[in-house]
Amino acid sequence: AQSVTQLGSHVSVSEGALVLLRCNYSSSVPPYLFWYVQYPNQGLQLLLKYTTGATLVKGINGFEAEFKKSETSFHLTKPSAHMSDAAEYFCAVSDTSGTYKYIFGTGTRLKVLA
Amino acid sequence: EPEVTQTPSHQVTQMGQEVILRCVPISNHLYFYWYRQILGQKVEFLVSFYNNEISEKSEIFDDQFSVERPDGSNFTLKIRSTKLEDSAMYFCASTPSGGRSDTQYFGPGTRLTVL
Repeated sequence: AQSVTQLGSHVSVSEGALVLLRCNYSSSVPPYLFWYVQYPNQGLQLLLKYTTGATLVKGINGFEAEFKKSETSFHLTKPSAHMSDAAEYFCAVSDTSGTYKYIFGTGTRLKVLA
Repeated sequence: EPEVTQTPSHQVTQMGQEVILRCVPISNHLYFYWYRQILGQKVEFLVSFYNNEISEKSEIFDDQFSVERPDGSNFTLKIRSTKLEDSAMYFCASTPSGGRSDTQYFGPGTRLTVL
């Protein structure tokens, strides 16, 4: 069965500092991986996804993630945090059968300090 | 940009009461999903729906739950007799073709509180 682990339920960074949110997956087949962001009182918005091809994926708002098969990781990064990045971030993998439902991690709440 | 909408944003109900959570998926999407997130826990899959039928459901989705697409736009989740443990945020999602690489588009969620 597939699973996703997000290390760190809460992460704080200073404005302008590097953002690193960790995601590790477990999958018996090549995974399809997603990062979503949830701002307060809003729905889950896709930041980026990896399906096949280039392992470094660029998303919206300056975020990117690198798929590393050897480390079973898909960490999300942004070189310089903005106050507006404060939100909850979810990593997910799509299931390999059925209706390809998403399997989510527990989420990481990012706080950006002035 | 088209978006998934959900109503109400917050629902408070008494244990044992029926609730209906409503979703309007993106208009040309064909696959629909419900997920829920109990406070402090993972977002969990409940059910998927295609062509007016349940395609897949989780072990959480027992006889107390049902889904329906009563018209061409709404997609509803009904809980017949709510329990305290049903308190959660419920998310609706839709996708155009249900493929493994498809992006699922999520609504803002309905927070259900069962007293």
